[in-house]
Amino acid sequence: EAGVAQSPRYKIIEKRQSVAFWCNPISGHATLYWYQQILGQGPKLLIQFQNNGVVDDSQLPKDRFSAERLKGVDSTLKIQPAKLEDSAVYLCASSLEDRGRHNEQFFGPGTRLTVL
Amino acid sequence: TQLLEQSPQFLSIQEGENLTVYCNSSSVFSSLQWYRQEPGEGPVLLVTVVTGGEVKKLKRLTFQFGDARKDSSLHITAAQPGDTGLYLCAGLPTGGFKTIFGAGTRLFVKA
Repeated sequence: EAGVAQSPRYKIIEKRQSVAFWCNPISGHATLYWYQQILGQGPKLLIQFQNNGVVDDSQLPKDRFSAERLKGVDSTLKIQPAKLEDSAVYLCASSLEDRGRHNEQFFGPGTRLTVL
Repeated sequence: TQLLEQSPQFLSIQEGENLTVYCNSSSVFSSLQWYRQEPGEGPVLLVTVVTGGEVKKLKRLTFQFGDARKDSSLHITAAQPGDTGLYLCAGLPTGGFKTIFGAGTRLFVKA
């Protein structure tokens, strides 16, 4: 079974520039998550999709961050414009919709963003 | 606010030593998971515990879910350098749909 794919793996941009990250979840996983992980901290949920609908985006800075999951499969996360404090690893994860699996999440390798 | 507090934040030990890390909350969770994250990679699921008092073993790793389902522990026997990584606990609050992550315990095992 192929894992969660993310690209790019690394990105360096200057502040006020735009950047986009892509995620392809495990086939058949209805739920997709984007997390921000700042160095030395645990993942912080930015947005959670159930198929192509948003379940939770309460911690997404909507003035600069946006995300979409067209057709309920792959997803993109965009930052426009980027700030220095956006430097972090952006993790994508997916899980089966079945609540019986207790939201067991499978993570991609992440995209390390550096904002200069 | 539902929080998962992990302790210690950082642990450096010699190969062969035993260790225990903790994950505590004032909230009740319907399930709790432990993940390990190595540098440059995403977290990898180790175990899910569901029942209060449940104990699960994965080779040298022993996971326990508290009787009240508010806390959990991870015990590693005879740690090896390959155990080095960030150990994260994550819980699904009872009645909730959003998984909450702790800040993690960073373990370094010296050869």
